[in-house]
Amino acid sequence: QSALTQPRSVSGSPGQSVTISCTGTSSDVGGYNYVSWYQQHPGKAPKLMIYDVSKRPSGVPDRFSGSKSGNTASLTISGLQAEDEADYYCCSYAGSYTLDVVFGGGTKLTVL
Amino acid sequence: EVQLVESGGGLVQPGGSLRLSCAASGFTFSSYWMSWVRQAPGKGLEWVANIKQDGSEKYYVDSVKGRFTISRDNAKNSLYLQMNSLRAEDTAVYYCARGVAAAGTNYWGQGTLVTVSS
Repeated sequence: QSALTQPRSVSGSPGQSVTISCTGTSSDVGGYNYVSWYQQHPGKAPKLMIYDVSKRPSGVPDRFSGSKSGNTASLTISGLQAEDEADYYCCSYAGSYTLDVVFGGGTKLTVL
Repeated sequence: EVQLVESGGGLVQPGGSLRLSCAASGFTFSSYWMSWVRQAPGKGLEWVANIKQDGSEKYYVDSVKGRFTISRDNAKNSLYLQMNSLRAEDTAVYYCARGVAAAGTNYWGQGTLVTVSS
């Protein structure tokens, strides 16, 4: 149950694109197509941005996209906007015969 | 409207116990897995426990196994987390969530703060 590895911080200017990586192992990210991404603003509950690796819930802008290659998942935010500044967490199942869950350590996105 | 309202947080001494509750409304509670996720001050999200719809399957993060117990009462639309032998490192905001975070959930409570300190 080791946390997934994310960069501590990323930044970009308005209109640019940024990608946040999430690296795990074959026992979590690489073993399931159940990677989700959450956005969290200070003092708020997490908000689901991506689920099942690349699906967007209704209401989430198509500027947000997800993908996975091997043991690494990625969240790409294009056309950065000021309101995208937040913490982002990836999440995956992490057990072969259990429904253990693991989060990434979180990435602080700064919009310059 | 889906609502999840946690309660039961507070200040407790190391070694003490606390029981968190989560009152659910706006959906058929008995049809969903439920979860507890916590966040220590200034830190990231950490999954704590999941429970199946009928309570027959429960999973825990290693750090709370043997100390915490997740349970539910479908008749009362309520989720619980019994926390025993509390440690300073259990200090966090505890969120209840509908479903399992890994599969994606947009339904979270507002959180309840647990502080373990002497």
